[in-house]
Amino acid sequence: QKEVEQNSGPLSVPEGAIASLNCTYSDRGSQSFFWYRQYSGKSPELIMFIYSNGDKEDGRFTAQLNKASQYVSLLIRDSQPSDSATYLCAVRATGANSKLTFGKGITLSVRP
Amino acid sequence: DGGITQSPKYLFRKEGQNVTLSCEQNLNHDAMYWYRQDPGQGLRLIYYSQIVNDFQKGDIAEGYSVSREKKESFPLTVTSAQKNPTAFYLCASSMWASGSTDTQYFGPGTRLTVL
Repeated sequence: QKEVEQNSGPLSVPEGAIASLNCTYSDRGSQSFFWYRQYSGKSPELIMFIYSNGDKEDGRFTAQLNKASQYVSLLIRDSQPSDSATYLCAVRATGANSKLTFGKGITLSVRP
Repeated sequence: DGGITQSPKYLFRKEGQNVTLSCEQNLNHDAMYWYRQDPGQGLRLIYYSQIVNDFQKGDIAEGYSVSREKKESFPLTVTSAQKNPTAFYLCASSMWASGSTDTQYFGPGTRLTVL
């Protein structure tokens, strides 16, 4: 059973702080990693994807991947109240015909 | 205006009824997916389709059926055999690119409630 685990929330940070969202996965053959943001009552929207070990930056967002530790994280710098949402980690393994396995998500609250 | 549309936004079903949820995309994507989301849970895959006239069961296909007669459309029927259908249903699509680059994009969702 391929599993994707996200550390339990909710996570609360003050405005302007760095929010760190973590995700671990069980299938060592996983190749692609995605972060989606989901506002309450809405559908998920893609924030970032990462395939290679290391960091990938896009504006205030940085995805970090460590395949040896089977760990992927999302850092949000200068957190804003508009970042308050649930963040879903999704993983696709090699040969999985593009199917994604999702974590349960972690809810982030940014306090003004 | 490209994107994925789902209808209706809200749907109410009586016990024993079949209902069909619509999903249409104009992104020229080959692959389409149906997920179910329950409160506090991640997304679980119901069915997916890589090409027209072909589809595969996901992790929780029991009580659901799909068709893929057109590239743009992938309707989901929730049958009376689905014992706990109240959930948020999400349709997604992707190009089905080879390798690791394929990315799924989601429609706005349909919230189904059984009365």
